[in-house]
Amino acid sequence: DIQMTQSPTSLSASVGDRVTITCRASRFIGSNLHWYQQKPGKAPNLLIYDASSLQSGVPSRFSGSGSGTDFTLTITSLQPEDFATYYCLQSYSAPREHTFGGGTNIEVK
Amino acid sequence: QVQLVQSGAEVRKPGASVKLSCKTSGYTFTSHAIHWVRQAPGESLEWLGWVNTGSGNTRYSQRLEGRVTITRDISATTAYMELSSLRSEDTSVYFCAREIYSRGTTHFDPWGQGTLVTVSS
Repeated sequence: DIQMTQSPTSLSASVGDRVTITCRASRFIGSNLHWYQQKPGKAPNLLIYDASSLQSGVPSRFSGSGSGTDFTLTITSLQPEDFATYYCLQSYSAPREHTFGGGTNIEVK
Repeated sequence: QVQLVQSGAEVRKPGASVKLSCKTSGYTFTSHAIHWVRQAPGESLEWLGWVNTGSGNTRYSQRLEGRVTITRDISATTAYMELSSLRSEDTSVYFCAREIYSRGTTHFDPWGQGTLVTVSS
């Protein structure tokens, strides 16, 4: 099974900050990595798919990079609505398995 | 617009079963698989399995294989997830999500609103 390790598990930031979250796969997953944002009591919302493709309607301050085993989600200028939890998802081992990272909670500094 | 609307909250005793529904609209039902994901309180997301809405073929998480069954009703454009032999650890919010297949990879978009299942004696 592929394990996904996200870091940090939480971070404190201010509006306007540049924020970077990483996701590491336990083995090669190509570009089969996707990023989601989840707010309390809501379903996850797709931000980035295939490691670096911005989902339609998602602000351009969100970007993704990486391939192989190491991936990054960057928010260039944090906005008030961005305080949330972020998850990565690998689909390299589909259809047998999909795996989420443990999540990164961005909170107000 | 594409919508996935899930059934309401459920409470079950340990050992019982629960069957949740995910009603879809706004797209061709058989063109996209449906996946089920759950989230225990304060925890991350756990993938449970999926159904090919055209063929009805399924694939399940090894961890839950034998307890989870995913089905679909094409005429109702609805997918279902049944979990049996419930334990307190199954208390979670259960989500359905539409699969998007692109360039050899799959991701999930959009998701249903979630259904809380509480297992308690």
